[in-house]
Amino acid sequence: AQSVAQPEDQVNVAEGNPLTVKCTYSVSGNPYLFWYVQYPNRGLQFLLKYITGDNLVKGSYGFEAEFNKSQTSFHLKKPSALVSDSALYFCAVRDMIAAGNKLTFGGGTRVLVKP
Amino acid sequence: GAGVSQTPSNKVTEKGKYVELRCDPISGHTALYWYRQSLGQGPEFLIYFQGTGAADDSGLPNDRFFAVRPEGSVSTLKIQRTERGDSAVYLCASSQGQGEYNEQFFGPGTRLTVL
Repeated sequence: AQSVAQPEDQVNVAEGNPLTVKCTYSVSGNPYLFWYVQYPNRGLQFLLKYITGDNLVKGSYGFEAEFNKSQTSFHLKKPSALVSDSALYFCAVRDMIAAGNKLTFGGGTRVLVKP
Repeated sequence: GAGVSQTPSNKVTEKGKYVELRCDPISGHTALYWYRQSLGQGPEFLIYFQGTGAADDSGLPNDRFFAVRPEGSVSTLKIQRTERGDSAVYLCASSQGQGEYNEQFFGPGTRLTVL
């Protein structure tokens, strides 16, 4: 079965500092990995995805993520955080061999960027 | 263009009642998904449609839950004999084509409260 772990419930960072949100996954086949962000009272918004190719993928709003197969990780990063980045972040995985099209989400990490 | 829309945005019902939740996907998206998000958790997969047919309903918790997509566009999630444990935010998402590589676009959700 596929699974995703986000080990930190909350990440606090000062505005302008680098932001990292951790994600590890477990699949039986090749993983397709996604990051979504959720603002209060709004739906999930897609940030970026890894399907194949370069391990470093760039996405919306200056975010990027690095796929590390040996560590089964897909950490989300932003070089310089903004107060407006404060939100709930979800990592998700799709295992095409074992689980078809459904996404399995992690429990979420709340990011708080302080001015 | 318009995103995924869901109605109602909030639904309060009494234990034992029947409810219907509606999802309008992005025009042209053939894949449609339902997820359930409980407080403080990530979304959990319920069911996936490709066109009019349910390609994967493995996430439906029991036979009180049922979903349809009769014309391959709008979908309705139906819950019979609601229980307090059904209280959650129900999210709908859609994606292009077969959906394997494509990100899912989420609606704002329907918050269901069962009293």
